[in-house]
Amino acid sequence: QVTLRESGPALVKPTQTLTLTCTFSGFSLSTSGMCVSWIRQPPGKALEWLARIDWDDDKYYSTSLKTRLTISKDTSKNQVVLAMTNMDPVDTATYYCARSLPSGRYNFDYWGQGTLVTVSS
Amino acid sequence: QSALTQPASVSGSPGQSITISCTGTSSDVGGYNYVSWYQQHPGKAPKLMIYDVSNRPSGVSNRFSGSKSGNTASLTISGLQAEDEADYYCSSYTSSSPLVVFGGGTKLTVL
Repeated sequence: QVTLRESGPALVKPTQTLTLTCTFSGFSLSTSGMCVSWIRQPPGKALEWLARIDWDDDKYYSTSLKTRLTISKDTSKNQVVLAMTNMDPVDTATYYCARSLPSGRYNFDYWGQGTLVTVSS
Repeated sequence: QSALTQPASVSGSPGQSITISCTGTSSDVGGYNYVSWYQQHPGKAPKLMIYDVSNRPSGVSNRFSGSKSGNTASLTISGLQAEDEADYYCSSYTSSSPLVVFGGGTKLTVL
């Protein structure tokens, strides 16, 4: 079955770089049309799409965060990594990774359980 | 401020039907049939309930249905049950900035 799991630090200091890893199983990111996105949710607030990487290594970023984000994949390890630079307390949120199928590249059919990242000195 | 506008809250009694709206623009909801709806219970990850405006993934109850008119999409839940109490988010492909925008979320209370 399909599973995704986010991992990374629970606490980062302002100005630091956050690196999150999404480890998945049950599908391959080398399959044509497959995509993995990162989405975040500040406590008590709405979801916000951050970035997506496709099977062919195409990458897409939120316009507002583009300068701070880098997404990459390691197909052999079934992992997608998101790096976010210059972290600020407003970046405190639960960060999710989620899969999109070739038939539905603008929706997310499986999600990880999320990882809460707190930005504080 | 979210790109798509949803009511902050809706409520209904068990057995009733409710509708949640999601208003965007011609660059997102109105221009493409890529509207999705997600259900999120407290402390849990979102769950896909509707995709491509009106399609239900396998395993989702047929009490959930989606539609769209112009720049507004809607999620209707019929035969409300206590387990439907959750937050609901709409999303859409957007051509104005990559790639997907979400609504602000709607809290559904089952009275």
